[in-house]
Amino acid sequence: SAVISQKPSRDICQRGTSLTIQCQVDSQVTMMFWYRQQPGQSLTLIATANQGSEATYESGFVIDKFPISRPNLTFSTLTVSNMSPEDSSIYLCSVERDRGDIQYFGAGTRLSVL
Amino acid sequence: GENVEQHPSTLSVQEGDSAVIKCTYSDSASNYFPWYKQELGKRPQLIIDIRSNVGEKKDQRIAVTLNKTAKHFSLHITETQPEDSAVYFCAASRAPGSGGYQKVTFGIGTKLQVIP
Repeated sequence: SAVISQKPSRDICQRGTSLTIQCQVDSQVTMMFWYRQQPGQSLTLIATANQGSEATYESGFVIDKFPISRPNLTFSTLTVSNMSPEDSSIYLCSVERDRGDIQYFGAGTRLSVL
Repeated sequence: GENVEQHPSTLSVQEGDSAVIKCTYSDSASNYFPWYKQELGKRPQLIIDIRSNVGEKKDQRIAVTLNKTAKHFSLHITETQPEDSAVYFCAASRAPGSGGYQKVTFGIGTKLQVIP
C-alpha cells in the first residue's frame, strides 16, 4: 500500500481567494490524481499530475481554475483558484504506484467556501 | 469515454443477510474493476478488485463477479454486519497503453445500511 498525507484536512475560505492542497506520498509513485467529491456524490477526476510535465485535465476542468504542480515523484499540489461557493467539496488525491496498479486515496480536504 | 452505471443507489439489509450491488460499463476495452468502500468522513478504500481474465474472485465474505460479454460486474457481501454499512463505489479502468495512463471511472455509489 501507500501512505498518503493530504493537507489541510479541512478549510473554510472566503469567496475570491485561493487554496492550495498538498499531497505527500511515502514512496515514489508514477501517477498522482486529483478528484473532487461533492456531498453525497461520486468521485470525479479533475486531472492527472505528471512528474516533469503539465497536468492532464479532464473535460470541464481547466488549468487556470485548478493549477497543479508535481515537482517530484512523491509530492503534488492542487490549487483551487478564485473560489466560489460552488467549489465547496471534498478534494482527494490518489496515487498509483505502477501502471495498472491499485489507486490509493488520501484522506481528503473538506473545503467550504463562504 | 467510459461510463459506469451502478445500482441500487441505496440498499438496506438485515444483519446476516446478503447484499448485492450491480454495475455496468460501456467501454469494452476496460479490463480492471475495483470496488471501494467509503465510510462516513473517511477516504475510499479498496476492498476487492477483479481483472478481465477472471470471472469471479472471493475474499472471505466479499465476492465479485464479472461478465465481460454483458459488460457488467457485481459485488456480493454475505453475512452482512453493521460495520459493512458504508458507501460502495464500483469503478472501471483499462491498463494504459503506450504513453497512456490508467483513468478510473467511478459509479455513483451505493449507500448500504445494515440494520442490526
